[in-house]
Formats: sequence, C-alpha cells, structure tokens
Amino acid sequence: EAQVTQNPRYLITVTGKKLTVTCSQNMNHEYMSWYRQDPGLGLRQIYYSMNVEVTDKGDVPEGYKVSRKEKRNFPLILESPSPNQTSLYFCASSWTAGTSGIEQFFGPGTRLTVL
Amino acid sequence: GDSVTQMEGPVTLSEEAFLTINCTYTATGYPSLFWYVQYPGEGLQLLLKATKADDKGSNKGFEATYRKETTSFHLEKGSVQVSDSAVYFCALTSNRDDKIIFGKGTRLHILP
Repeated sequence: EAQVTQNPRYLITVTGKKLTVTCSQNMNHEYMSWYRQDPGLGLRQIYYSMNVEVTDKGDVPEGYKVSRKEKRNFPLILESPSPNQTSLYFCASSWTAGTSGIEQFFGPGTRLTVL
Repeated sequence: GDSVTQMEGPVTLSEEAFLTINCTYTATGYPSLFWYVQYPGEGLQLLLKATKADDKGSNKGFEATYRKETTSFHLEKGSVQVSDSAVYFCALTSNRDDKIIFGKGTRLHILP
C-alpha cells in the first residue's frame, strides 16, 4: 500500500529535550516536506526537500532541522524544543513539486506537546 | 507572492443541504488548483483538482470549476452527508517555483 508514515503519532516532551519525528514514504517520491498545523493559521511549511541531500527552508523553519540522506526518509529534528512548537505536524511527499497538478500525499500526523 | 483565501469557518449545515465553500487565489502564471480534505484524526487527502482554466474537478459528489476570470475555485456539493464533516483546504501549485500554497482551511459540520 502506498503511504507516508510518521512516528511517533503522539509525543509529550519537556522544553530543551531533543527529539526526532520520523517520516518515511514507499512511493519513490522525490519531493518531501514538513508542515505544522495550528488553529487559525492553517498549514505552514517548515522545510522541504527536492531530492536526496537537497533541502530548503519553508515559511517557518526556525527551531527545526531536517536531513535527507535517503530518498524514502525525511526526519524532522527539534534540537531544543520550546512550548511554541506545540503543534500538529504533517509530513508529505509527491513525485515533484509545483508542476502540472501533482498530488501531495500526507502522513497521518504527529501531535507534539512541549511542556 | 501567490496566495489562497478561503472562507472562514466553521460552516454548519443540516444533512442534505447544498454546500459552497469559497476559494479565491492570487497567482502569476498558470497555477494548478486543489481541494484537500482532512477527516478527524487523519492527514490531508486530495479531494479534487483542476490544472487549467475552465476545468472542472469532481469526486465523491463534490465539484469545483477553475475560473480564471474570477480567480476562483469554489467547492460545491448538492447534498451533504454527516460523513462530509471535515476540514477542507484549498491549495495551489505554481509551475514557476516549488511552492505549494494552502488556504487556512474551512471546518465543516454536518448535523443529522
């Protein structure tokens, strides 16, 4: 089954404790991205990756890191989480970005609470 | 830059009512337009799309027509069901760059 998986689905942590949210896709997609969803603000892109070893900042990259060492994986790293990073996070992938109506495939989401 | 504006929610309707969720966009060039749906506790999934002017996307009884003259892509359904309760996102992609732009989402509640 074609899918994007994220782990963990739920996480409660404390300020300053480094964490990683994993994302994996099995569709051989080149493009992957991370979003956060907050009430009243919709979806905001954190980082994206056009292919292996190619990453770039989205609209709200502060406090986050990513890496793309393999095509299928795109982990999101919070080196020192803060309460304002409490949010619902989504990973997404597609064949490419921007052109000709390409569909984004989304993971199920990770609900993060930083105390 | 490119942007998407959709009507604020929540929108509350009774079952079998007619639904319209407005979406307008600002973009240079020729964007592709999408509606995504997010059911409770799930990620977003594509509902329908249109890639050029006057195209109509349709799926699960929902429709939207790409109107270049009014820069709009309004979502409609003739008779909603309780199971349509979800958050709906309008989005565009531009072939100029790598950006996918989402609207802020509209929460829809359907009452039995």
